[in-house]
Amino acid sequence: DAGITQSPRHKVTETGTPVTLRCHQTENHRYMYWYRQDPGHGLRLIHYSYGVKDTDKGEVSDGYSVSRSKTEDFLLTLESATSSQTSVYFCAIRKIDSDGYTFGSGTRLTVV
Amino acid sequence: GNSVTQMEGPVTLSEEAFLTINCTYTATGYPSLFWYVQYPGEGLQLLLKATKADDKGSNKGFEATYRKETTSFHLEKGSVQVSDSAVYFCALSDTGANNLFFGTGTRLTVIP
Repeated sequence: DAGITQSPRHKVTETGTPVTLRCHQTENHRYMYWYRQDPGHGLRLIHYSYGVKDTDKGEVSDGYSVSRSKTEDFLLTLESATSSQTSVYFCAIRKIDSDGYTFGSGTRLTVV
Repeated sequence: GNSVTQMEGPVTLSEEAFLTINCTYTATGYPSLFWYVQYPGEGLQLLLKATKADDKGSNKGFEATYRKETTSFHLEKGSVQVSDSAVYFCALSDTGANNLFFGTGTRLTVIP
C-alpha cells in the first residue's frame, strides 16, 4: 500500500456550505495533487503542491482553494459548495524526478 | 497543447476474447504515456507505461506500444478475464508539465 489516505470517503453537503477534503500521505513525497473525476471528462487537475506552502492552480481551479502546511497533508476546500462540484475527488502523490503518480481511493462528494 | 483521445465505451466482451482500447494523443514535448485501471469503488492504479517512442509497456497480460508516428498508445490483451472488468484510462505526462492529462476512460465489462 502506497500510504495515501483520503477523508472523508463520502460526504453529502448543502449548497453554499464550506467543505474541506483531506489527503494524507506517509511517503514524504514532495508533490501532491487534487483531481476531480466526472463522466465524459476523465480526471482533471484542480490544484497541486510542490512543497510545503507551495501550490499552484490546475485546469479547473475556480471555486477551490488548497493548503499544505505540512508535507504529509494537502487540504482541498470548497469555500461555498455548488451542485456543479458534485464529483469524485482523487488525491495523488509523486516523488520528485519520477513520473509515477499514486492515487488515493477517492472522496465522493454530493452537493444538494 | 496536451490532450488524450480515448475510445468511447462501454466495451463488453466475452471471457477469453481479444481486447483493444484505442488511445491517441497530442503533446507539445516528449511525453511519457500511461494506462491506468480503476476497479469499482477504488482509486486509479498504474497498469503500464512507456517513456519513449517504440517502447512497449506490459503488465498482467496487457500491452501497449508507444507509436510516435501515429501518436498512439493502444491497449491490448489477448484473452480477457472477468476480473479485468474495470475502467481504463489512457494518460500522458509531458516534458516539464506538472500534470497527468487523462482520456475520458473506457469501461470494460467481461462476461463469463
